[in-house]
Amino acid sequence: EVQLVESGGGLVQPGGSLRLSCAASGFTFSSYSMNWVRQAPGKGLEWVSYISSYSSSIYYADSVKGRFTISRDNAKNSLYLQMNSLRDEDTAVYYCARDPRLYSGGWSLSWFDPWGQGTLVIVSS
Amino acid sequence: EIVLTQSPGTLSLSPGERAALSCRASQSISSSYLAWYQQKPGQAPRLLIYGASSRATGIPDRFSGSGSGTDFTLTISRLEPADFAVYYCQQYGSSPPTFGQGTKVEIK
Repeated sequence: EVQLVESGGGLVQPGGSLRLSCAASGFTFSSYSMNWVRQAPGKGLEWVSYISSYSSSIYYADSVKGRFTISRDNAKNSLYLQMNSLRDEDTAVYYCARDPRLYSGGWSLSWFDPWGQGTLVIVSS
Repeated sequence: EIVLTQSPGTLSLSPGERAALSCRASQSISSSYLAWYQQKPGQAPRLLIYGASSRATGIPDRFSGSGSGTDFTLTISRLEPADFAVYYCQQYGSSPPTFGQGTKVEIK
């Protein structure tokens, strides 16, 4: 069974840092691109970042560019999101989500399937 | 970026009725690169439709997607109790990928 499990969320003060993790299982992690998508409380979905299968292509939403860093460790079947200089508006549930197609080079925009269960990040003083 | 506008915001229907959810894009979406998701409270989104009309694995055939260009529709032919949820459209034809604000389908 394909599974994604996020961890690392919590309460952090404005200006602080947090590192999220996503553990993947049930598929060949290194063959797929991955994404982070977030959802503020009671709000809609916002794509945050993309990383290709061997990290050659990385992209960010303008709202997090320069503050967030996506990375992955294929040997550990894990995806990460390092979040620095956190703001109140970064408060959200953060989901990792897979590009369901086998990676074939470059950044080919995609739908997301599956999603993890999410981890909640609260930025507040 | 492409802005997706979903309507209506809330749809109040009874089990067994047909639901039609609209997703309108601010500019044409290339190659019908549009997906639909279902989200229930406290759960992650679940993929229903991709490529505007292709059902994801395991999705019942009462869910169907249609449309092209700027206008897309998700139709649920006969609502079952498990279908009452929030539905989001997402475009992946232009960077960055964007989502609509959601349509809530509630029990009347």
